[in-house]
Amino acid sequence: GQQVMQIPQYQHVQEGEDFTTYCNSSTTLSNIQWYKQRPGGHPVFLIQLVKSGEVKKQKRLTFQFGEAKKNSSLHITATQTTDVGTYFCAGLGSSNTGKLIFGQGTTLQVKP
Amino acid sequence: NAGVMQNPRHLVRRRGQEARLRCSPMKGHSHVYWYRQLPEEGLKFMVYLQKENIIDESGMPKERFSAEFPKEGPSILRIQQVVRGDSAAYFCASSPRSFGELFFGEGSRLTVL
Repeated sequence: GQQVMQIPQYQHVQEGEDFTTYCNSSTTLSNIQWYKQRPGGHPVFLIQLVKSGEVKKQKRLTFQFGEAKKNSSLHITATQTTDVGTYFCAGLGSSNTGKLIFGQGTTLQVKP
Repeated sequence: NAGVMQNPRHLVRRRGQEARLRCSPMKGHSHVYWYRQLPEEGLKFMVYLQKENIIDESGMPKERFSAEFPKEGPSILRIQQVVRGDSAAYFCASSPRSFGELFFGEGSRLTVL
């Protein structure tokens, strides 16, 4: 079945360093969404990308959708301790029923 | 506008008992999703429902698990004859449309003794 893979699984950075997580799908995606889950919390929607090659920015966060619409990335510039959490990408299932498949997530730890 | 409400937040069951998890979507949302999350793991899709209809249940185990989203009232995820391996956090999410962003509840954490 369709898979959405994320790397790395864990990332430890010093506060102020940059961070990137990568997301790859085994099939072409109609769109991709990103979510953040704080420790002990629930996933919170960050952004949705729809167009091939699309780039969107939210303050220190930059999201990209690949030209082939099979991969995506999230880059955080100058991390802060408030960025701690697990970042998930999610893509629509190839069955096109509206099912959203999540990657395994990248857990970010930021050392002050 | 209240968010997605899940209850109970914590549920303890003994092996063989039944667990019922409830989810009230955000007002105006007719699309409901259930996901399961084990500690340190990702979100595993279970089922996608619209009012009174199951759209995709490809992630649901064939036995013991069922879900519904009646015309009136919350969505229910039902687990019969629970086993220890069912211990997990179960998240419900709602959306105003298909292919849209999901709004998650705070989850129901099931512990099976």
